[in-house]
Amino acid sequence: NAGVTQTPKFQVLKTGQSMTLQCAQDMNHEYMSWYRQDPGMGLRLIHYSVGAGITDQGEVPNGYNVSRSTTEDFPLRLLSAAPSQTSVYFCASSYDGFDPLNTEAFFGQGTRLTVV
Amino acid sequence: GENVEQHPSTLSVQEGDSAVIKCTYSDSASNYFPWYKQELGKGPQLIIDIRSNVGEKKDQRIAVTLNKTAKHFSLHITETQPEDSAVYFCAATPPTGGFKTIFGAGTRLFVKA
Repeated sequence: NAGVTQTPKFQVLKTGQSMTLQCAQDMNHEYMSWYRQDPGMGLRLIHYSVGAGITDQGEVPNGYNVSRSTTEDFPLRLLSAAPSQTSVYFCASSYDGFDPLNTEAFFGQGTRLTVV
Repeated sequence: GENVEQHPSTLSVQEGDSAVIKCTYSDSASNYFPWYKQELGKGPQLIIDIRSNVGEKKDQRIAVTLNKTAKHFSLHITETQPEDSAVYFCAATPPTGGFKTIFGAGTRLFVKA
């Protein structure tokens, strides 16, 4: 089991560029999510998905798009990168997004994104 | 919505001492409280959790306590070791689901040998 795999690990973008952060899990988890981690602010939820074909916004969704065409993959798209999107991004998956007792989140190793 | 505050933001202890990290939450309906450890260059990993019907839970050198009345919970690490150095996050999850989980801002723990 690879768990949750994120690519790339590091990325530098110019303002206005677009890109996709990839996330894949091999645990057959229904629930997947994207967080951004900023100093002093913990982990903030960007978008999440409770199953293939279903996505919804989290706390800080502006400037990001997601899709969930398969159970395994949950890519995060930056439409037009801005310096405010400089952050570390984590993808996570859980067995069940609804049952709080089955919500242990398994995180990827993160993508460090810098927008200049 | 839920709000989770975590203190301190930085904690430095000598090897062998105990470390305590405290969190408070605002939504009295929250019923699941996980703690995650993030080592340098890695994603957070669950180390212990507690449900709202339990007051304390232990796993070797780590323990978590929950006071539902006061809406606060704490992580206790005894006999700290250098490998305990990491960032620790608390979180609170309401009955509506994991996508409502709110994380604290994190505590950077340094264990000095």
